[in-house]
Amino acid sequence: EDQVTQSPEALRLQEGESSSLNCSYTVSGLRGLFWYRQDPGKGPEFLFTLYSAGEEKEKERLKATLTKKESFLHITAPKPEDSATYLCAVLNTRGNTGKLIFGQGTTLQVKP
Amino acid sequence: DGGITQSPKYLFRKEGQNVTLSCEQNLNHDAMYWYRQDPGQGLRLIYYSQIVNDFQKGDIAEGYSVSREKKESFPLTVTSAQKNPTAFYLCASRETGRDFFGQGTRLTVV
Repeated sequence: EDQVTQSPEALRLQEGESSSLNCSYTVSGLRGLFWYRQDPGKGPEFLFTLYSAGEEKEKERLKATLTKKESFLHITAPKPEDSATYLCAVLNTRGNTGKLIFGQGTTLQVKP
Repeated sequence: DGGITQSPKYLFRKEGQNVTLSCEQNLNHDAMYWYRQDPGQGLRLIYYSQIVNDFQKGDIAEGYSVSREKKESFPLTVTSAQKNPTAFYLCASRETGRDFFGQGTRLTVV
């Protein structure tokens, strides 16, 4: 069964303290791995799509990497405005439903 | 501005009542999706539609219904058969490589 597990569930950082969020997945043929940011009471906002092992993408203080079993979202020198829930999702190749499978998310709090 | 518009932002349902959540997009996307989000859980797929006049059940379709009469619109009805409807509902549309989400509707049973 396709599955996505994110860790930790919650993470508290001081401003400027770099860290990484983990997304482990098992999927029958990966078509893409997606990272989203979600603020409280809002819809998820797209961050990155990764397609193959070894791929990396960056946006401001965020960098996403992908291996055959997991993805990391690295946050360098975070600021309080980076506080949010970060969601990971995978898209498999089975059939043509195009169903995204989401992890439970990691809630990040950055204190000034 | 292009995007997904969900309404209302907050909705209250009485026992035994059907309610309809609106989702409209002006992105010209063929595929649209409805998700349910509960605290501590990932988004779960309710229904999806890959083209006008066609839709399929997702993982938790029981107690819900949808229609797709227009490309721009994909309304979700929460029926009285849904026993635990209190949740945050998200609508999305897809282009290659990414999904666009609306701002959500929070449904509460009163």
